[in-house]
Amino acid sequence: AQTVTQSQPEMSVQEAETVTLSCTYDTSESNYYLFWYKQPPSRQMILVIRQEAYKQQNATENRFSVNFQKAAKSFSLKISDSQLGDTAMYFCAFRGDEGDGGATNKLIFGTGTLLAVQP
Amino acid sequence: KAGVTQTPRYLIKTRGQQVTLSCSPISGHRSVSWYQQTPGQGLQFLFEYFSETQRNKGNFPGRFSGRQFSNSRSEMNVSTLELGDSALYLCASSLGFLAGSETQYFGPGTRLLVL
Repeated sequence: AQTVTQSQPEMSVQEAETVTLSCTYDTSESNYYLFWYKQPPSRQMILVIRQEAYKQQNATENRFSVNFQKAAKSFSLKISDSQLGDTAMYFCAFRGDEGDGGATNKLIFGTGTLLAVQP
Repeated sequence: KAGVTQTPRYLIKTRGQQVTLSCSPISGHRSVSWYQQTPGQGLQFLFEYFSETQRNKGNFPGRFSGRQFSNSRSEMNVSTLELGDSALYLCASSLGFLAGSETQYFGPGTRLLVL
Protein backbone atom coordinates (compact mmCIF):
# COMPACT_ATOMS: atom_id res chain seq x y z
CA ALA A 1 0.00 0.00 0.00
CA GLN A 2 1.15 3.50 -0.75
CA THR A 3 1.96 5.86 2.08
CA VAL A 4 2.86 9.54 2.24
CA THR A 5 4.88 10.99 5.11
CA GLN A 6 5.29 14.62 6.07
CA SER A 7 7.67 14.75 8.99
CA GLN A 8 7.35 18.46 9.78
CA PRO A 9 4.05 19.17 11.58
CA GLU A 10 4.75 22.91 11.80
CA MET A 11 7.17 25.37 10.22
CA SER A 12 7.70 29.08 10.41
CA VAL A 13 9.37 31.46 7.95
CA GLN A 14 9.93 35.20 7.72
CA GLU A 15 8.25 37.11 4.96
CA ALA A 16 10.38 37.25 1.77
CA GLU A 17 12.51 34.29 2.82
CA THR A 18 12.62 30.78 1.38
CA VAL A 19 11.27 27.65 3.04
CA THR A 20 11.30 23.98 2.08
CA LEU A 21 8.63 21.49 3.11
CA SER A 22 9.50 17.80 3.08
CA CYS A 23 7.52 14.83 1.81
CA THR A 24 8.46 11.20 1.33
CA TYR A 25 6.31 8.44 -0.07
CA ASP A 26 6.36 4.73 -0.54
CA THR A 27 5.09 2.88 -3.60
CA SER A 28 5.98 -0.04 -5.82
CA GLU A 29 4.46 1.62 -8.88
CA SER A 30 6.68 3.10 -11.55
CA ASN A 31 4.24 5.67 -12.88
CA TYR A 32 2.36 8.02 -10.60
CA TYR A 33 1.63 11.65 -9.88
CA LEU A 34 2.53 13.81 -6.92
CA PHE A 35 0.84 16.98 -5.78
CA TRP A 36 1.13 19.72 -3.23
CA TYR A 37 -2.10 21.28 -2.04
CA LYS A 38 -2.51 24.17 0.38
CA GLN A 39 -5.41 24.60 2.74
CA PRO A 40 -5.67 28.10 4.22
CA PRO A 41 -7.92 28.88 7.20
CA SER A 42 -10.90 29.01 4.84
CA ARG A 43 -10.41 25.20 4.47
CA GLN A 44 -10.54 25.46 0.66
CA MET A 45 -8.04 22.95 -0.75
CA ILE A 46 -5.99 24.66 -3.46
CA LEU A 47 -3.65 22.97 -5.92
CA VAL A 48 -0.12 24.35 -5.67
CA ILE A 49 1.92 22.16 -7.99
CA ARG A 50 1.85 18.83 -9.81
CA GLN A 51 4.64 16.43 -10.80
CA GLU A 52 4.49 13.43 -13.10
CA ALA A 53 6.83 10.68 -11.96
CA TYR A 54 8.07 9.85 -15.44
CA LYS A 55 9.28 13.42 -15.96
CA GLN A 56 12.82 14.08 -14.74
CA GLN A 57 12.38 17.84 -14.74
CA ASN A 58 11.20 19.37 -11.50
CA ALA A 59 7.89 21.22 -11.73
CA THR A 60 7.79 24.97 -11.13
CA GLU A 61 4.88 27.36 -10.65
CA ASN A 62 5.98 30.94 -10.05
CA ARG A 63 7.42 31.06 -6.50
CA PHE A 64 6.75 27.36 -5.93
CA SER A 65 9.08 24.61 -7.08
CA VAL A 66 9.67 21.00 -6.19
CA ASN A 67 12.71 18.82 -5.72
CA PHE A 68 11.60 15.41 -6.99
CA GLN A 69 13.99 12.58 -6.21
CA LYS A 70 12.37 9.43 -7.62
CA ALA A 71 14.96 6.96 -6.39
CA ALA A 72 14.79 8.38 -2.89
CA LYS A 73 10.98 8.70 -3.10
CA SER A 74 11.21 12.28 -1.97
CA PHE A 75 9.10 15.23 -3.11
CA SER A 76 9.87 18.49 -1.31
CA LEU A 77 8.24 21.86 -1.94
CA LYS A 78 10.27 25.06 -2.00
CA ILE A 79 8.50 28.37 -1.52
CA SER A 80 10.58 31.39 -2.48
CA ASP A 81 9.91 34.99 -1.44
CA SER A 82 7.35 33.83 1.14
CA GLN A 83 4.27 35.99 1.48
CA LEU A 84 1.76 36.35 4.30
CA GLY A 85 -0.86 34.76 2.06
CA ASP A 86 1.21 31.56 1.96
CA THR A 87 0.23 30.86 5.56
CA ALA A 88 -1.69 27.59 5.36
CA MET A 89 -1.60 23.86 5.91
CA TYR A 90 0.30 22.18 3.09
CA PHE A 91 -0.51 18.63 2.06
CA CYS A 92 1.59 16.33 -0.07
CA ALA A 93 -0.53 13.85 -2.06
CA PHE A 94 0.14 10.74 -4.14
CA ARG A 95 -1.94 9.45 -7.04
CA GLY A 96 -1.08 6.01 -8.35
CA ASP A 97 -1.96 4.63 -11.71
CA GLU A 98 -4.15 1.69 -10.89
CA GLY A 99 -6.84 0.95 -8.36
CA ASP A 100 -9.11 -2.02 -7.86
CA GLY A 101 -11.32 -0.85 -10.70
CA GLY A 102 -8.56 0.24 -13.04
CA ALA A 103 -7.37 3.81 -13.44
CA THR A 104 -8.11 5.91 -10.39
CA ASN A 105 -7.64 9.49 -9.27
CA LYS A 106 -7.69 8.48 -5.60
CA LEU A 107 -5.31 10.68 -3.64
CA ILE A 108 -3.37 9.52 -0.62
CA PHE A 109 -2.49 12.46 1.58
CA GLY A 110 0.21 13.10 4.11
CA THR A 111 -0.64 14.51 7.51
CA GLY A 112 0.22 18.04 6.47
CA THR A 113 2.66 20.78 7.46
CA LEU A 114 1.30 23.94 9.02
CA LEU A 115 3.30 26.85 7.60
CA ALA A 116 3.22 30.22 9.29
CA VAL A 117 4.70 33.20 7.45
CA GLN A 118 5.78 35.88 9.91
CA PRO A 119 5.80 39.59 9.00
CA LYS B 1 -15.25 28.52 -15.35
CA ALA B 2 -17.01 28.11 -12.07
CA GLY B 3 -15.23 25.93 -9.56
CA VAL B 4 -16.50 22.90 -7.71
CA THR B 5 -19.52 23.74 -5.60
CA GLN B 6 -20.78 21.92 -2.57
CA THR B 7 -24.04 22.26 -0.71
CA PRO B 8 -24.80 22.78 2.03
CA ARG B 9 -21.71 24.41 3.47
CA TYR B 10 -22.62 23.71 7.08
CA LEU B 11 -24.87 21.12 8.62
CA ILE B 12 -25.82 20.11 12.14
CA LYS B 13 -27.46 16.75 12.69
CA THR B 14 -28.13 14.47 15.64
CA ARG B 15 -27.04 10.89 16.10
CA GLY B 16 -29.11 8.39 14.18
CA GLN B 17 -30.22 10.82 11.50
CA GLN B 18 -29.14 10.63 7.90
CA VAL B 19 -27.61 13.31 5.70
CA THR B 20 -27.14 13.95 1.99
CA LEU B 21 -24.36 16.16 0.67
CA SER B 22 -24.22 17.46 -2.88
CA CYS B 23 -21.34 18.27 -5.20
CA SER B 24 -21.37 19.95 -8.62
CA PRO B 25 -18.09 19.47 -10.50
CA ILE B 26 -16.35 21.92 -12.77
CA SER B 27 -18.11 22.04 -16.13
CA GLY B 28 -16.77 19.27 -18.37
CA HIS B 29 -15.32 17.25 -15.51
CA ARG B 30 -16.64 13.71 -15.37
CA SER B 31 -14.75 12.28 -12.42
CA VAL B 32 -15.83 13.12 -8.87
CA SER B 33 -14.17 11.97 -5.65
CA TRP B 34 -15.14 12.45 -2.02
CA TYR B 35 -12.84 12.78 0.98
CA GLN B 36 -13.42 13.03 4.71
CA GLN B 37 -11.16 15.30 6.75
CA THR B 38 -10.95 15.01 10.53
CA PRO B 39 -8.31 16.20 13.02
CA GLY B 40 -7.62 12.64 14.12
CA GLN B 41 -7.60 10.73 10.83
CA GLY B 42 -6.60 13.47 8.43
CA LEU B 43 -7.77 13.27 4.83
CA GLN B 44 -9.28 9.94 3.86
CA PHE B 45 -10.67 8.84 0.51
CA LEU B 46 -14.33 7.87 0.52
CA PHE B 47 -15.24 7.03 -3.07
CA GLU B 48 -14.79 7.96 -6.69
CA TYR B 49 -17.29 8.15 -9.53
CA PHE B 50 -16.97 8.41 -13.28
CA SER B 51 -19.80 8.29 -15.78
CA GLU B 52 -22.30 7.38 -13.05
CA THR B 53 -20.22 4.36 -11.96
CA GLN B 54 -18.38 3.95 -8.70
CA ARG B 55 -14.80 3.13 -9.64
CA ASN B 56 -13.16 2.99 -6.27
CA LYS B 57 -14.20 2.95 -2.63
CA GLY B 58 -12.29 3.72 0.53
CA ASN B 59 -12.38 1.82 3.79
CA PHE B 60 -15.60 3.19 5.25
CA PRO B 61 -18.66 1.36 6.56
CA GLY B 62 -21.68 0.76 4.39
CA ARG B 63 -23.46 3.69 6.05
CA PHE B 64 -21.53 5.83 3.62
CA SER B 65 -22.83 5.72 0.08
CA GLY B 66 -22.82 7.88 -2.98
CA ARG B 67 -23.98 8.23 -6.52
CA GLN B 68 -23.33 10.25 -9.62
CA PHE B 69 -25.89 11.58 -12.04
CA SER B 70 -25.75 11.85 -15.82
CA ASN B 71 -24.73 15.53 -15.55
CA SER B 72 -21.75 14.43 -13.38
CA ARG B 73 -23.18 15.96 -10.22
CA SER B 74 -22.66 13.71 -7.24
CA GLU B 75 -24.26 13.12 -3.89
CA MET B 76 -23.06 11.27 -0.86
CA ASN B 77 -25.27 9.95 1.88
CA VAL B 78 -24.47 8.98 5.42
CA SER B 79 -27.14 7.01 7.25
CA THR B 80 -27.47 6.44 10.99
CA LEU B 81 -25.06 9.24 11.86
CA GLU B 82 -22.51 8.74 14.61
CA LEU B 83 -20.60 11.35 16.57
CA GLY B 84 -17.43 10.28 14.76
CA ASP B 85 -18.92 11.29 11.42
CA SER B 86 -18.39 14.94 12.35
CA ALA B 87 -15.93 16.14 9.74
CA LEU B 88 -15.26 18.32 6.75
CA TYR B 89 -16.40 16.48 3.62
CA LEU B 90 -14.54 17.52 0.51
CA CYS B 91 -15.54 16.87 -3.05
CA ALA B 92 -13.03 17.01 -5.90
CA SER B 93 -13.48 16.82 -9.63
CA SER B 94 -11.21 16.08 -12.58
CA LEU B 95 -11.60 15.72 -16.32
CA GLY B 96 -10.83 12.03 -16.38
CA PHE B 97 -7.94 9.66 -15.81
CA LEU B 98 -5.53 10.20 -18.69
CA ALA B 99 -2.29 12.06 -18.11
CA GLY B 100 -3.00 15.73 -17.96
CA SER B 101 -6.65 15.26 -17.03
CA GLU B 102 -6.18 13.55 -13.69
CA THR B 103 -5.59 16.60 -11.51
CA GLN B 104 -8.31 17.06 -8.92
CA TYR B 105 -9.79 20.42 -7.99
CA PHE B 106 -11.56 20.70 -4.69
CA GLY B 107 -14.75 22.33 -3.56
CA PRO B 108 -15.05 24.42 -0.38
CA GLY B 109 -16.32 21.45 1.62
CA THR B 110 -19.34 20.72 3.76
CA ARG B 111 -18.74 20.92 7.49
CA LEU B 112 -20.92 18.34 9.26
CA LEU B 113 -21.42 18.41 13.00
CA VAL B 114 -23.17 15.46 14.62
CA LEU B 115 -24.57 16.07 18.10
